[in-house]
Amino acid sequence: EDKVVQSPLSLVVHEGDTVTLNCSYEVTNFRSLLWYKQEKKAPTFLFMLTSSGIEKKSGRLSSILDKKELSSILNITATQTGDSAIYLCAVRHTGNQFYFGTGTSLTVIP
Amino acid sequence: ETGVTQTPRHLVMGMTNKKSLKCEQHLGHNAMYWYKQSAKKPLELMFVYNFKEQTENNSVPSRFSPECPNSSHLFLHLHTLQPEDSALYLCASSQVLAGETQYFGPGTRLLVL
Repeated sequence: EDKVVQSPLSLVVHEGDTVTLNCSYEVTNFRSLLWYKQEKKAPTFLFMLTSSGIEKKSGRLSSILDKKELSSILNITATQTGDSAIYLCAVRHTGNQFYFGTGTSLTVIP
Repeated sequence: ETGVTQTPRHLVMGMTNKKSLKCEQHLGHNAMYWYKQSAKKPLELMFVYNFKEQTENNSVPSRFSPECPNSSHLFLHLHTLQPEDSALYLCASSQVLAGETQYFGPGTRLLVL
């Protein structure tokens, strides 16, 4: 059965800390892995990863995919209170299916 | 972000009511999706439409009935729901075969009494 597992389920850090969020997957016919940030309602897109070992970076956020280990990490450096959200990992199947993890709830304390 | 819109944003209904959720995408995409998001659970894919044709139905109960009249609009018709159907219902769209991600609407928060 295809599945996506995220860890930790929740995380509380202080402003300025660096965090690493994990996503592992068991999905047949893998096409891509995506990270989303969900604050109040709609998830907003962060990164799409298709190739192993190539880091994607956007400001203080970065992500990398390891196809051998069937996993990805999302790093956030110098965290701010505005980073508080649920971070969702999804794996896209070649059949256009998207499988989501339960998410990691990040709380950044001032 | 107005690429994908959903109405209503909040809905309270009784178990005997009939209501519909609406989704519209302004991105020129050709695939649309309905997801259910319940507390502490992964997003659950309910329905997928590619080029207006339903391609996925993940064992969703018949009290949920989707309709996709064209590639820009998607409806979810609700009938005789149960309290456990209370959740956030998210619509998304994407461009099939182009490698793009999904873009989500703001969701409809549904409460079934």
